[in-house]
Amino acid sequence: DAKTTQPNSMESNEEEPVHLPCNHSTISGTDYIHWYRQLPSQGPEYVIHGLTSNVNNRMASLAIAEDRKSSTLILHRATLRDAAVYYCTTGYNFNKFYFGSGTKLNVKP
Amino acid sequence: SAVISQKPSRDICQRGTSLTIQCQVDSQVTMMFWYRQQPGQSLTLIATANQGSEATYESGFVIDKFPISRPNLTFSTLTVSNMSPEDSSIYLCSVLGGTEAFFGQGTRLTVV
Repeated sequence: DAKTTQPNSMESNEEEPVHLPCNHSTISGTDYIHWYRQLPSQGPEYVIHGLTSNVNNRMASLAIAEDRKSSTLILHRATLRDAAVYYCTTGYNFNKFYFGSGTKLNVKP
Repeated sequence: SAVISQKPSRDICQRGTSLTIQCQVDSQVTMMFWYRQQPGQSLTLIATANQGSEATYESGFVIDKFPISRPNLTFSTLTVSNMSPEDSSIYLCSVLGGTEAFFGQGTRLTVV
């Protein structure tokens, strides 16, 4: 599975958009890009995934670079409840995931 | 979706002893996954547990240290054997539901 690189931490103001970047330069053509987040004292939860096209769901948007070597998770209006560690991971099989170090998002009121 | 229950939620154990962690899923699943999350770190995959076959371990993890059982399609156990303080971590169970993974709340293990 492709290795991912994310900033260790980011900070945002409440109700402002947040762009969380992820580099996955060794991704293969069949690898999906997945995002999970882990709230304090909880197991990770699914956020979004995509292959080539940008994706939107009720939680977030996923912008995928044309060469697929990077992607950006977009939270349109950050809330205090969005404070978590966000993990970007890639893989072909929708089963096991290899998590990188993740980005700890701090949301300021 | 899938709801996962893990037991115990936390435990404090003496070094040299073993702890068995249970994972119960509310639906039948083919594969179950066990992860370890050391303090302040990301998740590391330990093994994949398939019903009816031996678990498949990731590099750095061995069956003698982390034996896994998978007696049916809704249940699995992970045992942490001969524990040392370095085994102090959160252990999480995970299953796949469609295109997303679901995780239990984890078992917080402290070895003293």
